[in-house]
Order: sequence, then C-alpha cells, then structure tokens
Amino acid sequence: QVQLVESGGGLVKPGGSLRLSCAASGFTVSAYYMNWIRQAPGKGLEWVSYIRNSDTTVNYADSVKGRFTISRDNAKNSLYLQMDSLRAEDTAVYYCAAGLRHFDPWGQGTLVTVSS
Amino acid sequence: DIQMTQSPSALSASVGDRVTITCRASQSISSYLNWYQQKVGQAPKLLIFAASGLQRGVPSRFSGSGSGTDFTLTISSLQPEDFATYYCQQGYSTLSLTFGGGTKVEIK
Repeated sequence: QVQLVESGGGLVKPGGSLRLSCAASGFTVSAYYMNWIRQAPGKGLEWVSYIRNSDTTVNYADSVKGRFTISRDNAKNSLYLQMDSLRAEDTAVYYCAAGLRHFDPWGQGTLVTVSS
Repeated sequence: DIQMTQSPSALSASVGDRVTITCRASQSISSYLNWYQQKVGQAPKLLIFAASGLQRGVPSRFSGSGSGTDFTLTISSLQPEDFATYYCQQGYSTLSLTFGGGTKVEIK
C-alpha cells in the first residue's frame, strides 16, 4: 500500500528553523518528482518546492526561495524540507506529494506554526 | 505566474443535483489542468488529471472538460460524500505550479 507520512512540524519562533520529513512506503521517492505543498489555516493550496526524480534538480516558489531547501535520501526512501528564517506567513500544514504536472499520492500533512 | 480563478467560491446543492465548477487560467495551459477534492481535516485527493482523465478509483459521476483557458468539473449526481472543497491546478508551467482558490460545496 502506497503511503507518505510527514513529520517534524511544530511551533517555532520567527527567524527559527525546522526540518520536515516525508517517509514513503510501498513507493520509491527516487522514481518520482517529489513536492512540498502547503496550506495556511483556512486558506487554499500553495505549491512550495519539487525535486526531480532523475537527479537533484530542484525548484522553489518565490515565497520560499533562499530560505527553504528540499532534499531526498534514497537509502531512507524519504523526502525532506529544511526551513530557515521562518516567518509568520509560513504557518501552514505542509504536505508531501508525488508527481510533476499533477500530484498523487499525498501525505496526511504536518502542521508548522511560526509564532512568538 | 499563471493565475487560476475558480467560480463560484462556494455553492449550496442538494443530493442528486448536477454541480458544475469552473476554472479559468490567465493564459493558455493546453490540457494541463487537474482537479482535487479535499474534505475537512484530510489531504487533497486527485480526481481528474489532464483536464478529463478520471483518476483510478474515482466514481464516474465526476467528469472534467475544457482546454486552453476554460475548464469545468461536473458532478452528475451529487452524493453525500461529495460535500467538500474542490481545487483546480495547472500543470503547464512546471517552474511555478499554481492552484485555484477553491470551491466549497455545501449541503443545501
């Protein structure tokens, strides 16, 4: 059964850092483009970043460029998002999801709250 | 970035109704348009890919159409489990993948 499970969310102060993880089972993260997508409380969906399957080519939304870093550990079959210089507007549920032009499957999400 | 505009932002409908949601792109995106369903407290679920492709396991009452800038998601006969928020998403510009603002389908 294909499953993506995110972890690492929590409460962090503005300017702080957090590292999210996405562990895959029944699914090989290195075979797909992998993404982080977020949803602020009560708001819509915002694509954040992807990492390409064939290599480590990455892409970021302008809103996080220079602050967030996506990576992948093929041996652990996991995806990561290092988030630095966090701002209040980064508060959201963060989902990992597979695919490039469309996203499937998705994890259940992990909540990141940036507040003093 | 390509802007995706959904309408309406919310609608009320009854079980058995035919429901139509529209999505407009700020420029042509060919058929690179996808639809997702999100229930409260859950992750989004892919319903339709490439404008009209029905994702495996999705009931046939869901259908998608359109190309270029204008797209439609139709639920032919609304069921109780269909009350949710629906999002469109363009997969044309892979440098910046964008979603519509969502359409909340509520019980009348």
